[in-house]
Amino acid sequence: AQRVTQPEKLLSVFKGAPVELKCNYSYSGSPELFWYVQYSRQRLQLLLRHISRESIKGFTADLNKGETSFHLKKPFAQEEDSAMYYCALKNNAGNMLTFGGGTRLMVKP
Amino acid sequence: NAGVMQNPRHLVRRRGQEARLRCSPMKGHSHVYWYRQLPEEGLKFMVYLQKENIIDESGMPKERFSAEFPKEGPSILRIQQVVRGDSAAYFCASSAGQGLSNQPQHFGDGTRLSIL
Repeated sequence: AQRVTQPEKLLSVFKGAPVELKCNYSYSGSPELFWYVQYSRQRLQLLLRHISRESIKGFTADLNKGETSFHLKKPFAQEEDSAMYYCALKNNAGNMLTFGGGTRLMVKP
Repeated sequence: NAGVMQNPRHLVRRRGQEARLRCSPMKGHSHVYWYRQLPEEGLKFMVYLQKENIIDESGMPKERFSAEFPKEGPSILRIQQVVRGDSAAYFCASSAGQGLSNQPQHFGDGTRLSIL
């Protein structure tokens, strides 16, 4: 069975500080990992996925198969980064996504 | 492109009534997914449909819940004889055909179902 764990429900940092949102997964095959973000009063939207190996809004995430992790990082947090962040896994048997419980990021001025 | 459209945004039902949630996928998308989010939890997969076919319903409760995606019109998630525990946010997502690999899912705003 596949599982995604986001150990922190809430992460609070000051503007300009580095931020790391943790995500661990369990899946026996080769997963595809995503980060979705939901800003206040907006819909869930794709932030980035590991196969793209891109940086979006200054965020990056590296898939570490040894540690089964896909942590989301940004070196300098901005107030507009405050949102709910969800890590998700798609297996290679189908298209369904398995989501973590989400982490609320609060960036204080 | 208006994106994935869900309606209604909020739905209130009394116990025992039926709830119908609608989802129109993004233009050009033929795959639809329904997820449920209970308070303080992440989204949980319910069902995956293509036009006129249910592909994976492993996340659907065995009773009272059904889903369809007809040839014409939106996808419908139907909950019969609702109970208080059905109160949740229900999200729909869509993606392009599987012929294109690794197509991401795009989400709607969700329908917040409240059971009195």
